[in-house]
Amino acid sequence: DVKVTQSSRYLVKRTGEKVFLECVQDMDHENMFWYRQDPGLGLRLIYFSYDVKMKEKGDIPEGYSVSREKKERFSLILESASTNQTSMYLCASSPEPGGYSNQPQHFGDGTRLSIL
Amino acid sequence: DQQVKQNSPSLSVQEGRISILNCDYTNSMFDYFLWYKKYPAEGPTFLISISSIKDKNEDGRFTVFLNKSAKHLSLHIVPSQPGDSAVYFCAAKGWSSASKIIFGSGTRLSIRP
Repeated sequence: DVKVTQSSRYLVKRTGEKVFLECVQDMDHENMFWYRQDPGLGLRLIYFSYDVKMKEKGDIPEGYSVSREKKERFSLILESASTNQTSMYLCASSPEPGGYSNQPQHFGDGTRLSIL
Repeated sequence: DQQVKQNSPSLSVQEGRISILNCDYTNSMFDYFLWYKKYPAEGPTFLISISSIKDKNEDGRFTVFLNKSAKHLSLHIVPSQPGDSAVYFCAAKGWSSASKIIFGSGTRLSIRP
């Protein structure tokens, strides 16, 4: 079974802090994704990566950056946290190189981040 | 502008009956559609998918129907069971979108005893 592990289930940070959300997958998947889930808005793609050191902007990249130094790990960084970044953050992975995958994504259990 | 729309935020169905969840999309370049199910405090899990070359795909109690001319798809669950109570997300992608999947806003399905 594919396992996508997010380092924290709940996180509380203060405005202006630099926040790191970590995600690890154990199935050697090429593609990894970061989403945020907000009520009434569904899942919105922040960034994705289809290879080590590669990244692509999603629909809402502003205020975020990502890092993929190893294939199994994809980090989401909030450079200077703001209250409007309070949300549920979901990491996902999927196989096949190049990003052109019709394989379903496997999700972690999410990190509920509160910015005070 | 939402490219994938789930217009019903919630749906309540009696156990044993059919649940029908609907989804509309606007982008005619979408050619692959998925449904995910999400329980509270868990990540979404893949349920079923359909390619645009088909109009129906069935997996046990779950069937997805695709009407390309109407840009509409639906998920049928029959018979509905208590464990089906969850939020269901419709999602879509195009072949050229480099795995960029667009999700709908979700429908919360509640199964009544």
